Amino acid sequence: GESVGLHLPTLSVQEGDNSIINCAYSNSASDYFIWYKQESGKGPQFIIDIRSNMDKRQGQRVTVLLNKTVKHLSLQIAATQPGDSAVYFCAENRGAGNMLTFGGGTRLMVKP
Amino acid sequence: EPEVTQTPSHQVTQMGQEVILRCVPISNHLYFYWYRQILGQKVEFLVSFYNNEISEKSEIFDDQFSVERPDGSNFTLKIRSTKLEDSAMYFCASSTQGGSGGQYFGPGTRLLVL
Repeated sequence: GESVGLHLPTLSVQEGDNSIINCAYSNSASDYFIWYKQESGKGPQFIIDIRSNMDKRQGQRVTVLLNKTVKHLSLQIAATQPGDSAVYFCAENRGAGNMLTFGGGTRLMVKP
Repeated sequence: EPEVTQTPSHQVTQMGQEVILRCVPISNHLYFYWYRQILGQKVEFLVSFYNNEISEKSEIFDDQFSVERPDGSNFTLKIRSTKLEDSAMYFCASSTQGGSGGQYFGPGTRLLVL
């Protein structure tokens, strides 16, 4: 069925390295995507978004890439820090309406 | 920086009781949402609200649930006759626009139904 999914449940990186978190989606009608960071006991924190008319968007230390051909979304975190340790979710908006559909999450662990 | 706030942070209730979860969205936002997250699972959409009415709801949001914006600042989720499976984190979110507008989440209310 249609879903937003994540390739890896856990990603472990060395402090200072770059991290790449991936997400696959299957609904070609999705036109808006958001990456959220969720720390333990807290609500999802907006990181960066991208609309389907773009293939790349950069923020502070983060970059989101969208490949519509293969329905793939990635979040790149440069110079990963211990404070980046969290669960990262991608979410999609499937066209008309306001509902966000979340993926299952990837836990990022940063080793000092 | 403006934030979405939620009260209470934790709520314990007996099965069959009614609970009201409260949210104060970001002040210039016009779209309001409730999501839930069962422990260890992904975040699930419940309902969106705009212009004093529900604009979209999921299959989870059945007759047991209702939302209300009782004044210009609060947004509430009422769960009538709670069930054990209603135990979850409930997140409120708000955005300036629907569709492709970024939704900003509150810290959540942890609901435990005994």
